[in-house]
Amino acid sequence: AQSVTQPDIHITVSEGASLELRCNYSYGATPYLFWYVQSPGQGLQLLLKYFSGDTLVQGIKGFEAEFKRSQSSFNLRKPSVHWSDAAEYFCAVGARGGADGLTFGKGTHLIIQP
Amino acid sequence: DTAVSQTPKYLVTQMGNDKSIKCEQNLGHDTMYWYKQDSKKFLKIMFSYNNKELIINETVPNRFSPKSPDKAHLNLHINSLELGDSAVYFCASSRGLAGFTDTQYFGPGTRLTVL
Repeated sequence: AQSVTQPDIHITVSEGASLELRCNYSYGATPYLFWYVQSPGQGLQLLLKYFSGDTLVQGIKGFEAEFKRSQSSFNLRKPSVHWSDAAEYFCAVGARGGADGLTFGKGTHLIIQP
Repeated sequence: DTAVSQTPKYLVTQMGNDKSIKCEQNLGHDTMYWYKQDSKKFLKIMFSYNNKELIINETVPNRFSPKSPDKAHLNLHINSLELGDSAVYFCASSRGLAGFTDTQYFGPGTRLTVL
């Protein structure tokens, strides 16, 4: 079974600074990988996904993520954060070839300092 | 137009009651899901349905029974509610089934509080 680890429960970043949120996964083959964002009181919105091909994936809101097979990682990055980026970020993995739901990490809470 | 909608948004009830949460998607998707997000924000899949057929049933108590009257709806009925059922429940949908290449779209969530 697949699993996802987001080692940082909270991260505080100054507005305008760069951001990297870590995600490590465990899966026997190349997984499907996702990053979702959840703003306070809201549902989940897909930021980006990786299925195959180019390992650097561009998403919405200026986010990108890089799949590194050797490190079993799929870290999310943004060069300059905005106060509106404050939210909960979830990394998720989906198994290939099946109808399984997503397996989510426990989330990273992003705090933006003025 | 809302893609995946859930009602109600908030649900407060007493222990032992029976309640339902409704979910509808207008995306024409074939697969729908229910997830539970606990107080620590951990999201876990509960069920998935494809064309009204149950595909996934994780280790969820029998008190939880999903019902899919058509492929656009997946309702969640909960019997004999317990304190531990307090959580946010998310409905989601995706276009297809095989290969899991399709993005899941999530509803806004239903915050269930059991007193």
